[in-house]
Amino acid sequence: NAGVTQTPKFQVLKTGQSMTLQCAQDMNHEYMSWYRQDPGMGLRLIHYSVGAGITDQGEVPNGYNVSRSTTEDFPLRLLSAAPSQTSVYFCASSYSFVGGRSYTFGSGTRLTVV
Amino acid sequence: TQLLEQSPQFLSIQEGENLTVYCNSSSVFSSLQWYRQEPGEGPVLLVTVVTGGEVKKLKRLTFQFGDARKDSSLHITAAQPGDTGLYLCAGPPVGSTLGRLYFGRGTQLTVWP
Repeated sequence: NAGVTQTPKFQVLKTGQSMTLQCAQDMNHEYMSWYRQDPGMGLRLIHYSVGAGITDQGEVPNGYNVSRSTTEDFPLRLLSAAPSQTSVYFCASSYSFVGGRSYTFGSGTRLTVV
Repeated sequence: TQLLEQSPQFLSIQEGENLTVYCNSSSVFSSLQWYRQEPGEGPVLLVTVVTGGEVKKLKRLTFQFGDARKDSSLHITAAQPGDTGLYLCAGPPVGSTLGRLYFGRGTQLTVWP
């Protein structure tokens, strides 16, 4: 099983450019989410989705859009990139069990905005 | 404000030593999870603890959930270089939206041969 697949692995953008980070999972998980990881800050939730057609904001949603047209895919869009969005982005999918959720993370996209 | 505080932030030890990493909060959590992350990769789930006072063992790693479900610890016995990585605790606070996960900032562990 591939699990959670993120593309691209690396990306350099100029300020003001737009792009889409792709995320796909093959585990039929309803819940998917996007995090960014910055040095000393841990992982912070950007947006999440509890199922196809349903999305909601996390801690740091400004500057990012998401959509969920299928169970498998959850792309993250940067409409006008800013240097503050330089970070490593992780997509995760999860299933619930008694007491919590089990998360599977992708291997990340390292984004640099210059 | 960080919901989960991890300590220490950095830990550098020799092979064979024991160590403990702590994860503390003022909030009660439904469960707590521990992840290990290696450079260039996403976090990988090690364990989930659900019940207050619960202890789980994974080979040389022992995880404990506090009785009040506000804290957790990870103890590694006889650390090996392969244990090197970033250890993250995470969990959904009681009452959070649909089990949304909050992360600590992590403990960077380096084990020298």
